[in-house]
Amino acid sequence: QKEVEQNSGPLSVPEGAIASLNCTYSDRGSQSFFWYRQYSGKSPELIMFIYSNGDKEDGRFTAQLNKASQYVSLLIRDSQPSDSATYLCAPTSGSARQLTFGSGTQLTVLP
Amino acid sequence: EAQVTQNPRYLITVTGKKLTVTCSQNMNHEYMSWYRQDPGLGLRQIYYSMNVEVTDKGDVPEGYKVSRKEKRNFPLILESPSPNQTSLYFCASRRTTDTQYFGPGTRLTVL
Repeated sequence: QKEVEQNSGPLSVPEGAIASLNCTYSDRGSQSFFWYRQYSGKSPELIMFIYSNGDKEDGRFTAQLNKASQYVSLLIRDSQPSDSATYLCAPTSGSARQLTFGSGTQLTVLP
Repeated sequence: EAQVTQNPRYLITVTGKKLTVTCSQNMNHEYMSWYRQDPGLGLRQIYYSMNVEVTDKGDVPEGYKVSRKEKRNFPLILESPSPNQTSLYFCASRRTTDTQYFGPGTRLTVL
């Protein structure tokens, strides 16, 4: 059973702070890792993806991957109220490289 | 505009009445998937398709059918819906590379 665990929420941070979202996965064969943002009642939208160990930065977002520890994280710098959403971690697995989603971490950024 | 479309967006039906939720993408993607999303359970894959006439079960296929007769379309069929299939459904598509795009969602209520 492939499992993806995300840190339990809800997570609240003040505006301007750094939000840290964590994810662990059980499938050592996972090659690609995706972070999606989902506003309530809306469809998930891709924030970032990462393939290699280390950090990947895109604007205010930084994804960090450690395959040896089976750990991936997302940092959001200078958090804004518009970042308030549920964040889904999704590693790929299997020969078809299907996405397996975690249950998500709900983030609230307080003005 | 590149997009994944689903219809209907909202549906209320009764137990046992067959229904079909349509999904179409205009990006010439090979892979298409159906997910359901329930509170606390995250996104769970129902079925996926790697190309025309190639489909396979995801994590929760019971009670659902799919077909892939054309590359752009991937309908989800509930032959005899039951109340436990009340959920928010998402269709998604991607190329053989991994970035996946989601449709807007279909909120289904089975009474």
